[in-house]
Amino acid sequence: GESVGLHLPTLSVQEGDNSIINCAYSNSASDYFIWYKQESGKGPQFIIDIRSNMDKRQGQRVTVLLNKTVKHLSLQIAATQPGDSAVYFCAEEEYGNKLVFGAGTILRVKS
Amino acid sequence: DTAVSQTPKYLVTQMGNDKSIKCEQNLGHDTMYWYKQDSKKFLKIMFSYNNKELIINETVPNRFSPKSPDKAHLNLHINSLELGDSAVYFCASSPWTSEQFFGPGTRLTVL
Repeated sequence: GESVGLHLPTLSVQEGDNSIINCAYSNSASDYFIWYKQESGKGPQFIIDIRSNMDKRQGQRVTVLLNKTVKHLSLQIAATQPGDSAVYFCAEEEYGNKLVFGAGTILRVKS
Repeated sequence: DTAVSQTPKYLVTQMGNDKSIKCEQNLGHDTMYWYKQDSKKFLKIMFSYNNKELIINETVPNRFSPKSPDKAHLNLHINSLELGDSAVYFCASSPWTSEQFFGPGTRLTVL
């Protein structure tokens, strides 16, 4: 598959389990964070965002947690499905809508 | 129905050639972007335009020249293509300071 040769962190989970993908960001002044999902051969797709005045935000089956003290962001996916298999990126907004993306994590869902 | 579209999807060309990639968005957004994604999936912003005005220019070689004829279009022209320019190029758009919507990408291969 497309992930062959990629040396990104990989998370393998069983279908139906919960997934947690972690991300460390660098700029303590960043106040807007986004998680994107990128399926093979497609562009990144918005999943959920959070502003720095919050530490948790929930969407449909997804939750983002923000820990500003240690500059850490996590994405939790409940009841992971095969369609969740993708590369997941966190991004922080530095200024003027400039997004800085993390390296990405491959999520593999085993049926 | 396509929100952010790019043409072409694939572009194979020889070193030294000049090529263009086109991007259009029908979301009514004010801001458009070009990103480069390398073979390790690292995604980095190149340019952003807000209402046809250049906002971000991230130390990209001046062989790359973005052109925004109107708010809905942001094209990328690349002169004197080099092997290292091989990558997937993504266009994106957003309202100001909000989530960015990505196009499907253009895979550029320089031989």
